[in-house]
Amino acid sequence: DARVTQTPRHKVTEMGQEVTMRCQPILGHNTVFWYRQTMMQGLELLAYFRNRAPLDDSGMPKDRFSAEMPDATLATLKIQPSEPRDSAVYFCASGLVVGGSNYGYTFGSGTRLTVV
Amino acid sequence: AQSVAQPEDQVNVAEGNPLTVKCTYSVSGNPYLFWYVQYPNRGLQFLLKYITGDNLVKGSYGFEAEFNKSQTSFHLKKPSALVSDSALYFCAVRDWTGRRALTFGSGTRLQVQP
Repeated sequence: DARVTQTPRHKVTEMGQEVTMRCQPILGHNTVFWYRQTMMQGLELLAYFRNRAPLDDSGMPKDRFSAEMPDATLATLKIQPSEPRDSAVYFCASGLVVGGSNYGYTFGSGTRLTVV
Repeated sequence: AQSVAQPEDQVNVAEGNPLTVKCTYSVSGNPYLFWYVQYPNRGLQFLLKYITGDNLVKGSYGFEAEFNKSQTSFHLKKPSALVSDSALYFCAVRDWTGRRALTFGSGTRLQVQP
């Protein structure tokens, strides 16, 4: 089965450090999302790419977060500097959307980030 | 704006009994609706989706969902629950254009008792 690969699976870092999370979408998928999951807020959209172009990053704190797709096989989410409130599970998902039609989205296993 | 409401934080059901997990939505135009399941320390797994066509959608693991346009609902159902169905279930919606990402509900924890 094709899968979305996220690295690292777990990350513990000190406040103020830079954190980079990586996602390899499924080959052929043209849509990539980053979501953050916390107990309090549930699943929050951070960024949304279509054909590597950002469509929606309104949910992402711009002062410290950045999301990019340097190529079709890699999406990155960076936090600099990290803060304890960033502790969460970060999920990447990819899908194929053509002309508005959707063939489903596949989620990665997530990166569990702990900022101490 | 698009939104999803899952009114129940938790649903408890006995094994073998039918289960329903509720979801209502709000979106401009025709909705694309999804159900995902999350097991502990895992990512979200796709269960089923409604795009168009038959209002009763069948998905993985014996789950199905009924789209009701007049009630703007998309409830998840299963005729006979298994203990292994115990997990966190998320309903999600997006508009037909795809210009916005999926919006998720807050999730419903399903507990199936033996």
